[in-house]
Amino acid sequence: GNSVTQMEGPVTLSEEAFLTINCTYTATGYPSLFWYVQYPGEGLQLLLKATKADDKGSNKGFEATYRKETTSFHLEKGSVQVSDSAVYFCALSPGTASKLTFGTGTRLQVTL
Amino acid sequence: SAVISQKPSRDICQRGTSLTIQCQVDSQVTMMFWYRQQPGQSLTLIATANQGSEATYESGFVIDKFPISRPNLTFSTLTVSNMSPEDSSIYLCSVEGARDSSSDTQYFGPGTRLTVL
Repeated sequence: GNSVTQMEGPVTLSEEAFLTINCTYTATGYPSLFWYVQYPGEGLQLLLKATKADDKGSNKGFEATYRKETTSFHLEKGSVQVSDSAVYFCALSPGTASKLTFGTGTRLQVTL
Repeated sequence: SAVISQKPSRDICQRGTSLTIQCQVDSQVTMMFWYRQQPGQSLTLIATANQGSEATYESGFVIDKFPISRPNLTFSTLTVSNMSPEDSSIYLCSVEGARDSSSDTQYFGPGTRLTVL
């Protein structure tokens, strides 16, 4: 079956530091890959997505590249802000009308 | 993307009672899903809400415990029945297939935070 593995958190960074959150997946075929963010006390927001190999998703300074050869979709940001403190979920979907398979989530804490 | 609302946003309930959660979308959508997020955990799909027919449940979830309705293309309800403290979670609905949205992307409501005493 499908699965998503994320790096363990929490990740604590100083403001303006570089962020990487690792995500690898197991799936048959060519799934779509997503990063969702959950701010404290809120629901999930779509951060970015990629639908095929070598696609790069980007939004709000965050980027992730769909790497089929390494089955990875690592999230990066060049300079984090305190406002980026949240839980980040990597997820995959095998296609339209299919359930999302989520990773365990990585909590990011950014300090001044 | 579609605007999704959930009611109630949070509730505290006594064990043995039931709570119905509503999910309303501001436009017609193809798919609606219900997920559970237990404290400090990731999200698990409970079921797919099918318009005009019975929901499709994931392994480990049953209709008697989590009855779901979807009377039209913009609205669904999830009931958590005969609650116990283990049901304390965030319940989220998600939608897919709204007009002007990607067909393979799910968007989530704000969630309902349920505490069972």
